[in-house]
Amino acid sequence: EDQVTQSPEALRLQEGESSSLNCSYTVSGLRGLFWYRQDPGKGPEFLFTLYSAGEEKEKERLKATLTKKESFLHITAPKPEDSATYLCAVQTDYKLSFGAGTTVTVRA
Amino acid sequence: DTGVSQNPRHKITKRGQNVTFRCDPISEHNRLYWYRQTLGQGPEFLTYFQNEAQLEKSRLLSDRFSAERPKGSFSTLEIQRTEQGDSAMYLCASSPLAREKLYFGPGTRLTVT
Repeated sequence: EDQVTQSPEALRLQEGESSSLNCSYTVSGLRGLFWYRQDPGKGPEFLFTLYSAGEEKEKERLKATLTKKESFLHITAPKPEDSATYLCAVQTDYKLSFGAGTTVTVRA
Repeated sequence: DTGVSQNPRHKITKRGQNVTFRCDPISEHNRLYWYRQTLGQGPEFLTYFQNEAQLEKSRLLSDRFSAERPKGSFSTLEIQRTEQGDSAMYLCASSPLAREKLYFGPGTRLTVT
């Protein structure tokens, strides 16, 4: 069975304090690794898809990287509006299997 | 592209009652998914449609749950004889092709009292 583990569960940052979130996975036949952002009471919002080890994607202050066993989401100089839960998901066939998420709080 | 819509956004029901949720996917997306999310957890897969065909159901989906997608457009998720453990956010998502990202709706928050 596919397993996705995210760490830490929660992360409190000062504005401008860069950090990284980890997503480790055990799957057979990875088709893609997805990062989503979720605000309280809302559905997940797509951020990135990574397909192969060594691949990197960037969007504003976020950068996602992928190895054969894990992915990292780097947040550079975060702002309070980056506060959210960040979800990692793996796709092995037609569906996504999600981790429990990392809740990031950025204080001004 | 108006996004995925779900109705109602919130539902409070008493234990033992039946509830039905509706999802309208992005037009021309032939794949439609239902997920359930409880507090502090990531979304869990429930079921998946390609056009009108329901291709897979998770073992999480007990016999009290049924989903339909008539004519391959909107979908409904019905829960019969609700239990307190059914309290969760029910998320719908759609995508145009395999390996494409899923576009999620805002969810329906179910509270069973």
